[in-house]
Amino acid sequence: KAGVTQTPRYLIKTRGQQVTLSCSPISGHRSVSWYQQTPGQGLQFLFEYFSETQRNKGNFPGRFSGRQFSNSRSEMNVSTLELGDSALYLCASSGTGVGRGGYTFGSGTRLTVV
Amino acid sequence: GENVEQHPSTLSVQEGDSAVIKCTYSDSASNYFPWYKQELGKRPQLIIDIRSNVGEKKDQRIAVTLNKTAKHFSLHITETQPEDSAVYFCAASTGGDGQNFVFGPGTRLSVLP
Repeated sequence: KAGVTQTPRYLIKTRGQQVTLSCSPISGHRSVSWYQQTPGQGLQFLFEYFSETQRNKGNFPGRFSGRQFSNSRSEMNVSTLELGDSALYLCASSGTGVGRGGYTFGSGTRLTVV
Repeated sequence: GENVEQHPSTLSVQEGDSAVIKCTYSDSASNYFPWYKQELGKRPQLIIDIRSNVGEKKDQRIAVTLNKTAKHFSLHITETQPEDSAVYFCAASTGGDGQNFVFGPGTRLSVLP
């Protein structure tokens, strides 16, 4: 079956702009989580959505937001971009009960803010 | 909140030798511990996991051990091969429903031919 699909793969934006990233989970997976990966900070949890509701949230400023649609697809938005937002943004989906298989990650969206 | 430490940050071994990566966690409520392998330019991939009611799990050349009392878990790779070279991340589940994770900072493993 198809894996987790993230679009776009690469993105270059200017400081102050906003950006929207998309994630389509594995069919049947209802939980979608977002992570920011940087060389210095590793994998940092942004938020998790389940059945269109944000269930958990990490320690990121309000400029980072997300949503999930009825088909489980999720979007992440970053407003007023800063240079420090340059990172690989990974989406991961999981089925019912994370302990039964953990995450399947997408290939990520590499965001560069100039 | 949960904090996960991982050591070493880099590890070089000769092909055929064993590699061990250790992680400690702080939240005694964590009950699920996956390990991910991330090759250069690729996505992290789940390679093995363990639940808190199990002390050890093995899958071919990879094994994970868990010590709940000491709150640490380890990844063991035997008979290492060049294709094992990657960054390895440990993680611990968080929250009452264990639906998200805190990741360790990663270990860069290099297997030298």
